[in-house]
Amino acid sequence: DIQMTQSPSSLSASVGDRVTITCHATQDISVNLNWYHHKPGTAPKLLIYDASNLQTGVPSRFSGSGSGTDFSFTIANLQPEDVGTYYCQQYDILPPYTFGQGTKVEI
Amino acid sequence: EVRLAESGGGLVQPGESLRLSCAASGITVINNYVHWVRQAPGKGLEWVAVVYTAGSTYYTDSVKGRFSVSRDSSKNTVSLHMDNMRVEDTGLYYCARGQGGLYDWGQGTLVTVSS
Repeated sequence: DIQMTQSPSSLSASVGDRVTITCHATQDISVNLNWYHHKPGTAPKLLIYDASNLQTGVPSRFSGSGSGTDFSFTIANLQPEDVGTYYCQQYDILPPYTFGQGTKVEI
Repeated sequence: EVRLAESGGGLVQPGESLRLSCAASGITVINNYVHWVRQAPGKGLEWVAVVYTAGSTYYTDSVKGRFSVSRDSSKNTVSLHMDNMRVEDTGLYYCARGQGGLYDWGQGTLVTVSS
C-alpha cells in the first residue's frame, strides 16, 4: 500500500504569513492527490484536488503543486479562519486511499 | 443541495457488531463513489472503505474481513456493517462522496468500542 508522509506535523504562524506543507508518497501517484482542511466539530473540507486544482468556492490564497511522489500545499496570506488541521490524501489506481498524518496549523 | 447524514453510532463491547448508515439526499448513491472515513480520538483521518458505482468494494487492511459496505437503492443509503469490533475501531465515522477528491461529507457518527 502507498504511504503518505506529511510534514511538518504542526506549525505556528502569524496572520498574513505564507505557510507551506509537504507530502511525500512512497510510490508514484502522478497527480492523484487531494488536500483537505479539518476543524474539530466540522466535516473535512476539500480544498485542492488532482494536486493543483482549486475546489469551487475555495479562496485563491490556497494552492497546491507537485506530481509523482512529492507535493506541496501553500496558504498565502494566512487568515484566522485557516486554523485547523490539513491533510493530504492519495487516490492512486486502487484503494486504500491513504491520508497523511495531518499538519496542525495555529496562529 | 447534497446532504449526507450518518447514523447508527453508539457504544458496543469488543467482539460485537454495529451497522452505520449514510442517508443521501440531492444525489443517488448508486451513481456515486461513497467512502467511509474515520477519526480516532486525538488522531488523524483514516480512510476505511469505499463502494464504487459498479458495486465493487474496497477496505483498509485493518478492517478487511470484519467490515462490509452495502447499498440500498430504494432508501438511497450506504451502510457500513462492522463485525467483531475492536477497541481501536473507536472513533467518529464519516461518509463522503467523490471519485477523486471527497467533496461532500456528512457530519459523522460516533462509535465507541469499550468493555
